[in-house]
Amino acid sequence: SAVISQKPSRDICQRGTSLTIQCQVDSQVTMMFWYRQQPGQSLTLIATANQGSEATYESGFVIDKFPISRPNLTFSTLTVSNMSPEDSSIYLCSARYNNEQFFGPGTRLTVL
Amino acid sequence: AQSVTQLGSHVSVSEGALVLLRCNYSSSVPPYLFWYVQYPNQGLQLLLKYTSAATLVKGINGFEAEFKKSETSFHLTKPSAHMSDAAEYFCASYNFNKFYFGSGTKLNVKP
Repeated sequence: SAVISQKPSRDICQRGTSLTIQCQVDSQVTMMFWYRQQPGQSLTLIATANQGSEATYESGFVIDKFPISRPNLTFSTLTVSNMSPEDSSIYLCSARYNNEQFFGPGTRLTVL
Repeated sequence: AQSVTQLGSHVSVSEGALVLLRCNYSSSVPPYLFWYVQYPNQGLQLLLKYTSAATLVKGINGFEAEFKKSETSFHLTKPSAHMSDAAEYFCASYNFNKFYFGSGTKLNVKP
């Protein structure tokens, strides 16, 4: 299996600021994903992050708002830019490894 | 378009009673199907998965699910609930390199 860690685990941020979330996988993986889980709702895929190429964003998500980096096969970052209270959510990193999907513990973001 | 529907956002059962969490999928192509469990402040943990082999799938912690193509369903069951089963459960389908999650069902287990 693959173990995924995220930093920070939670944060409280001011409106208009940006937060970068880090995701570390203990194995090399080709495909990494970022999800958002808004309060009381299910997981929504933000983007797919493949090493060596630009992230692929889902409908409703744009690079300017959620820039993603994928510098190597074990690491990715998601930045939530110019935050507003509507961005308060849990952000989960995920990776595909040996044909299975693994998820990180999530980053709980509160925007005031 | 693909989607996953979980009927019932909250389910409450007594300890020792049958657990039944419902999941229906819509897809033009039979997908892979999964059940995940999420404990408070933790990530998602895979319970079981269907990948077009046996239609009755057994998972961890005594859970199992049956794929029924005619009903486009993949309901999760456990014969006897335990207090430690209290969590949120997500059904998901996987097709064309993407996961589609249901809205989740919070399971409450009463003593």
